[in-house]
Amino acid sequence: DAKTTQPNSMESNEEEPVHLPCNHSTISGTDYIHWYRQLPSQGPEYVIHGLTSNVNNRMASLAIAEDRKSSTLILHRATLRDAAVYYCILRSTGNQFYFGTGTSLTVIP
Amino acid sequence: EAGVAQSPRYKIIEKRQSVAFWCNPISGHATLYWYQQILGQGPKLLIQFQNNGVVDDSQLPKDRFSAERLKGVDSTLKIQPAKLEDSAVYLCASSLEVGTGEQFFGPGTRLTVL
Repeated sequence: DAKTTQPNSMESNEEEPVHLPCNHSTISGTDYIHWYRQLPSQGPEYVIHGLTSNVNNRMASLAIAEDRKSSTLILHRATLRDAAVYYCILRSTGNQFYFGTGTSLTVIP
Repeated sequence: EAGVAQSPRYKIIEKRQSVAFWCNPISGHATLYWYQQILGQGPKLLIQFQNNGVVDDSQLPKDRFSAERLKGVDSTLKIQPAKLEDSAVYLCASSLEVGTGEQFFGPGTRLTVL
């Protein structure tokens, strides 16, 4: 039932920016776009979320396409601690999360 | 602020046995979720509580899985009897209330069914 599509894996060099893409062509007008990440042997942790406008916080930036059918999570300077599985999730009004298989990010020293 | 607590962290049982997992959400969080995460997959929502009422249990295999949140705080998830395909990590999460967005996850319980 996953409503998002992400690449299975990506690599980045340490201290370089990383752009993680996500397609969500069936998004509805009230769905929020959330990004979570999961480090090995831990539960997922919140990264960022948005509805229509681009968003910035201390961890990352979220760029949302004008038609909202895709979004990109931007890590401005990847560190080794950013190596994780990143999930792009659509949140319905009932707050249910539908996780896909995510993107496994490898950071190369 | 204390996070979401789960116990046990690991559990190994044989098929057809019963098992129970416990979750203590962040204080004041009205909404509680149980997820199942099979190796290599993203978490799948099993059940969502708002206080002590069920909001969504559409993906809970009700013939063998049950969950309760009697006083609107702690919750238990039970599997009886367990099958091999129930081997997974069971994650508990909580949020302030429905519609506020951010969910806080516990570390999970890794279940192995032999």
